[in-house]
Amino acid sequence: QVQLQESGPGLVKPSQTLSLTCTVSGGSIRSGGYYWSWIRQHPGKGLEWIGYINYSGSTYYNPSLKSRVTMSVDTSKSQFSLKLISVTAADTAVYYCASAALAFDYWGQGTLVTVSS
Amino acid sequence: DIVMTQSPATLSLSPGERATLSCRASQSVSSNYLSWYQQRPGQAPRLLIYGGSTRATGIPARFSGSGSGTDFTLTISSLQPEDFAVYYCQQDYDLPWTFGQGTKVEIK
Repeated sequence: QVQLQESGPGLVKPSQTLSLTCTVSGGSIRSGGYYWSWIRQHPGKGLEWIGYINYSGSTYYNPSLKSRVTMSVDTSKSQFSLKLISVTAADTAVYYCASAALAFDYWGQGTLVTVSS
Repeated sequence: DIVMTQSPATLSLSPGERATLSCRASQSVSSNYLSWYQQRPGQAPRLLIYGGSTRATGIPARFSGSGSGTDFTLTISSLQPEDFAVYYCQQDYDLPWTFGQGTKVEIK
């Protein structure tokens, strides 16, 4: 069974860059047909899909965040990453990584990122 | 973007009762691309239903999904204590993929 684990700083200063990594285990990040995704959840709110990357590096970013988002993949480490630039307090959220094949099949446990000085 | 609207926002029911949750899409969505998730407090969402009506691995038979076009339903036939949670619908028929705002099923 695929397992995902997010890692990265829990506190980021305003205007700086949020950087998170998701490590995939129990399955191959090189599997075709998987879209490795990032999803966030503002405190007490619903789910917002940020975008995906596949094993070859093809990406799609939600237009709502496209100007600030970059995703990358490192197949040698079974990891994919998220960078969100110019963060503000509105980017404070729990960030999840997830694998999407038939749907968002597997999720990481989530990591809270707080934007504050 | 396809807007997914869930109703009601909160459903107050007793254990053993039947829960019916609705999800409406702002435009037609193939049921093949409609999923439901359960999120318990402090946990990540968990896939319940994909393809509109197919239960994910390990999901009990009391959960069922149905619908087509713009109207979809998640039914929990007999609520168990562990079913009190928030439920989200989600479409991946068109980019960007979008979620509904959630329905909270609470104990009455």
